[in-house]
Amino acid sequence: DIQMTQSPSTLSASVGDRVTITCRASQSISSWLAWYQQKPGKAPKLLIYKASSLEIGVPSRFSGSGSGTEFTLTISSLQPDDFATYYCQQYSSSLYSFGQGTKLEIK
Amino acid sequence: EVQLVESGGGLVQPGGSLRLSCAASGFTFNSCWMIWVRQAPGKGLEWVASINEDGSEKYYVDSVKGRFTISRANAKNSLYLQMNSVRAEDTALYYCARGGYGEVSEFDYWGQGTLVTVSS
Repeated sequence: DIQMTQSPSTLSASVGDRVTITCRASQSISSWLAWYQQKPGKAPKLLIYKASSLEIGVPSRFSGSGSGTEFTLTISSLQPDDFATYYCQQYSSSLYSFGQGTKLEIK
Repeated sequence: EVQLVESGGGLVQPGGSLRLSCAASGFTFNSCWMIWVRQAPGKGLEWVASINEDGSEKYYVDSVKGRFTISRANAKNSLYLQMNSVRAEDTALYYCARGGYGEVSEFDYWGQGTLVTVSS
C-alpha cells in the first residue's frame, strides 16, 4: 500500500503570506495526486487534481506541483477564508490513501 | 447539480451491523466510480471502500476487509455500505464521494456525511 506523508502537521501564517505544504508518497505515483480543503463541520472540497490541475471555481492563488514522490500545494497570498485543514490523496492505485492533514492556522 | 445524500448512520453496539446509503442525483450515476471515506472524531480522512461503475470491482482498506461490503443499485442511483461486526474504531463520520468516469480518479463531489457511533 502507498503511504502519504504531509508536512508540516500544523502551519501558522498571516493573511497575505505565501505558504507551501508538502506531501510525499512512499513510492512513485506519477502525477496521480489530489489536494482537498476541509473546514470544520464541512465535507472536504477538491482543490487540485492530477498534481497541478486547478478544479473549476478554485481561486488561482492555489497551485500544485510535483510528480513521482514529492508534491507541494502553494497558496500565493493567504486569505481569511483559507484557514482550514488540507489533505493530499493519491489515486495511483485502486487502493487510495490520504495524507494525515495539515492544519493552517492564523498566526 | 450534483448531490450526494448519505443516510443510515446511528448508534450501534460493538459486533452489530448497520447499512449506510447514499442517494445520488445530478449526474450519470452508472458511469462513475463511487467511494466511501470516513473521518473519526478529530482525526483525518480515511478511504474505506470503492466500487466501479457496474459493481464488478470492489476495493477495501485492510481494516474493514471481511466486515464491510460496498454495493450499488444503478437503477436507484444509490450506493451502499453494509457494516458488519463493527468495532469501536469504526466510529466516524462516513462520507460518500464521486470518483471518475470509467477510471480511478480524484473525488470531485462529496456528501455531508452520516455519523456512525459504535458503543455499548
